Amino acid sequence: AQSVAQPEDQVNVAEGNPLTVKCTYSVSGNPYLFWYVQYPNRGLQFLLKYITGDNLVKGSYGFEAEFNKSQTSFHLKKPSALVSDSALYFCAVRGDTGRRALTFGSGTRLQVQP
Amino acid sequence: DTEVTQTPKHLVMGMTNKKSLKCEQHMGHRAMYWYKQKAKKPPELMFVYSYEKLSINESVPSRFSPECPNSSLLNLHLHALQPEDSALYLCASSQEPGLNTDTQYFGPGTRLTVL
Repeated sequence: AQSVAQPEDQVNVAEGNPLTVKCTYSVSGNPYLFWYVQYPNRGLQFLLKYITGDNLVKGSYGFEAEFNKSQTSFHLKKPSALVSDSALYFCAVRGDTGRRALTFGSGTRLQVQP
Repeated sequence: DTEVTQTPKHLVMGMTNKKSLKCEQHMGHRAMYWYKQKAKKPPELMFVYSYEKLSINESVPSRFSPECPNSSLLNLHLHALQPEDSALYLCASSQEPGLNTDTQYFGPGTRLTVL
């Protein structure tokens, strides 16, 4: 079975400070990892994905994520947070064996204070 | 262009009504998905169409009936819903459903309220 854990329901950060949203996963075989962002009453927007290769993945809106195989983690980061980054963030995983559908984490609400 | 459109944006219906949700994409994607999302929760997969054929039904009650008339369109027909079916219904599409690297792109959703 595959699973994703986002241990923090909410992350608070001041504007201009670096932000990290945590994600750990469990999957059979190789992991394929995704981050999505959801603004209020909107659909999910794709931010970035890890397939293979470089452990640091760069995505949209200045976000990046670091894949760590030994810690089974895929934390989302941004060097300098903006108030407009305040939203709900979902990590998702798919393995290359077993269930092929995406499994989403429970979500982390990011609140960036001015 | 990674746009998936959904209509209507909002829908209010009674438990005896019949209504339909519509989803459209013109990216040439070969897989389309329906998800249900409750407030502050992750999306829950309902159905997957792969090459216009239903490939996954996540044991969804029969009061939800999906239809894929062609590769660009996906409908969700609703009948005799319950108040607990009130949620945000999200449509998504992806290019190649057989690939591990396949990325799903989501529409803005339809906010459904069942009275």
